[in-house]
Amino acid sequence: QVQLVQSGAEVKKPGASVKVSCKASGYTFTSYGISWVRQAPGQGLEWMGWISAYNGNTNYAQKLQGRVTMTTDTSTSTAYMELRSLRSDDTAVYYCARDLKGAIAVATFDYWGQGTLVTVSS
Amino acid sequence: DIQMTQSPSSLSASVGDRVTITCQASQDISNYLNWYQQKPGKAPKLLIYDASNLETGVPSRFSGSGSGTDFTFTISSLQPEDIATYYCQQYDNLPRTFGPGTKVDIK
Repeated sequence: QVQLVQSGAEVKKPGASVKVSCKASGYTFTSYGISWVRQAPGQGLEWMGWISAYNGNTNYAQKLQGRVTMTTDTSTSTAYMELRSLRSDDTAVYYCARDLKGAIAVATFDYWGQGTLVTVSS
Repeated sequence: DIQMTQSPSSLSASVGDRVTITCQASQDISNYLNWYQQKPGKAPKLLIYDASNLETGVPSRFSGSGSGTDFTFTISSLQPEDIATYYCQQYDNLPRTFGPGTKVDIK
């Protein structure tokens, strides 16, 4: 069965970086894209960006450009999201999600990781 | 960016009631719209894709309709396990954007 398993919770100071991993299993990793979505406490869902596990192409939300990098390691079927220059308003649960429509689509998120809480606090 | 609005922001209904949530896009998005259910402390779950297609394994009491700018999500007979927040999401333009959510609970 398809599973996305994310790394554990992180506590970071303002200005630091965090790297969250998302290990996929149960499907051919390179046949799908992965999006990252975050959710601040008590708030709604915010799409952060996408990476194709097929060719590594990325697309990032403009508000995060320059601070976020998404990568994949096809040898371990793992996607990564690194966010730099952390601020208090980056405190959120970060989710990875597979795209239903394949490796080049950024459309529909059919399987989700369990979420990783990142807390930014001095 | 395409702005998504949802109404109501919350509702309370009885078991067995028909529940309807609307989602409006700030511009024409054809049928490029999905619906998700999120229970407290859990990841979102895909229910409806392409405005009206039921995801595999999702109960048939859930349905979606609409195109262009106006969309509707319906639970035909509310069950206790449907207590959750429901989000619409557009994929016509980047960045992908979600509605603010509709919280559903039992009266």
